[in-house]
Amino acid sequence: GAGVSQSPSNKVTEKGKDVELRCDPISGHTALYWYRQSLGQGLEFLIYFQGNSAPDKSGLPSDRFSAERTGGSVSTLTIQRTQQEDSAVYLCASSLLSFDSILGNTIYFGEGSWLTVV
Amino acid sequence: KQEVTQIPAALSVPEGENLVLNCSFTDSAIYNLQWFRQDPGKGLTSLLLIQSSQREQTSGRLNASLDKSSGRSTLYIAASQPGDSATYLCAVPGGGADGLTFGKGTHLIIQP
Repeated sequence: GAGVSQSPSNKVTEKGKDVELRCDPISGHTALYWYRQSLGQGLEFLIYFQGNSAPDKSGLPSDRFSAERTGGSVSTLTIQRTQQEDSAVYLCASSLLSFDSILGNTIYFGEGSWLTVV
Repeated sequence: KQEVTQIPAALSVPEGENLVLNCSFTDSAIYNLQWFRQDPGKGLTSLLLIQSSQREQTSGRLNASLDKSSGRSTLYIAASQPGDSATYLCAVPGGGADGLTFGKGTHLIIQP
C-alpha cells in the first residue's frame, strides 16, 4: 500500500476483554515495529520484527501482550485481559531495512490505533 | 542503554523566526539519527534522516546537523510558519533489538 495502515483507528473496550490491533506495513518493507505512546508520554518501544522473526520480545510490557507477523507482511498485536493502564495509542512503523542498518533508512509510521480501556 | 533528551520541551515563538531544537543522546555509537514530526492525534512523519557519516541534511526550510562525538543533533527551522506547529521528535537506534529510542519531543507553537 501507499503507507502503513493500522486498524482499528479507535477502540474502546471493557477492562478484562482481549483486543487485537492490526498493522499492514508498506509493501516490501522487511522491518516492522510496534510502539506505544501514552498520554503526555514519549514513545515506548514494544517489539521489532525482521521478516517474521522478533529477535527480542522483552520490550513487551507484560505477558498479556503478544505480537506476531505472518508472510513478512501483516502484523497483529494482541492484548489479553486489558487493563486501564493499557490505554494508549499503539503505533506501528515499517522500514525497508533494519532500523540499525549502516545504510540508514527512513522509518514510516501509521496513524496509530487509539485504545481506551474503560 | 541509549537515552535521548530533547530541549526545550516546549517552545512558542512568533511567525517568521528562525529556531533551533536540540537533541542529545548518551551512546554515540549510532548509525543514523532521524527527526520526526507529530501532529496532534496523528502518527509520526519522518522529516530528515542523517547517516553517521554525514554532518547535516537539508530539506526545504529544515536543516538537521549531527555531531556524533558530542552526542548532539540540532534541527534548525528557518522562517517559521504556523503550519510548523507540532511536536518534533528525534530518534536513534537503541542498540541490540531495542528499535529506535525516542526523545520526549519538543512541542512547538508558531504564533500567527
